Amino acid sequence: EIVLTQSPGTLSLSPGERATLSCRASQSVNNNYLAWYQQKPGQAPRLLIYGASSRATGIPDRFSGSGSGTDFTLTISRLEPEDFAVYYCQQYDGSLMRTFGQGTKVEVK
Amino acid sequence: EVQLVESGGDLIQPGGSLRLSCTASGFTFSSHSINWVRQAPGRGLEWVSYISSRSLTISYADSVRGRFTISRDNAENSVYLQMSSLRAEDTAVYYCARGNWNFPYWGRGTLVTVSS
Repeated sequence: EIVLTQSPGTLSLSPGERATLSCRASQSVNNNYLAWYQQKPGQAPRLLIYGASSRATGIPDRFSGSGSGTDFTLTISRLEPEDFAVYYCQQYDGSLMRTFGQGTKVEVK
Repeated sequence: EVQLVESGGDLIQPGGSLRLSCTASGFTFSSHSINWVRQAPGRGLEWVSYISSRSLTISYADSVRGRFTISRDNAENSVYLQMSSLRAEDTAVYYCARGNWNFPYWGRGTLVTVSS
């Protein structure tokens, strides 16, 4: 099973700042089957990025994903007030298993 | 509009059984895979189970394999999660999510509490 480790656990930033979130896999993620989600309190997660770098429908272009193999990054170019939330990475390893990282909380500094 | 609605969550004693349902609308249900994902109170997301569009492929997380069974009825636009031998650590909000390897659509979840 591929384990995803996200860092940092908490990111304290101000609106307008750039956020850089990391997701590291214990083994290479085949075909870049890596996705990112945003979750706000009391809500279901929302898909932001799939295929490591493709934005999902309706996602603003301030969100971008990059990386390959075992190292992936979600970047929010300029934080808007509605972007303060918890972010999860998720992978599919091709052997029927899907796993999530433990999450990174982006909070207001 | 794609909609997924979970139901069946309840307070259940350890060792008990419960069946969750996920009812879909707004899309051709029989063409899409469905997953169950859970979230314990104050914790992160945990993928639980997957079923392909025609039930040919099924998979489970190690934490539930042998205790949970996923199934679907395409005529009823529904997916089910039969949970048995429930433990306190199964307490969570259970979401159903459409998708094969990523999940663009989610329900609002149903709460399962395992406690005596």
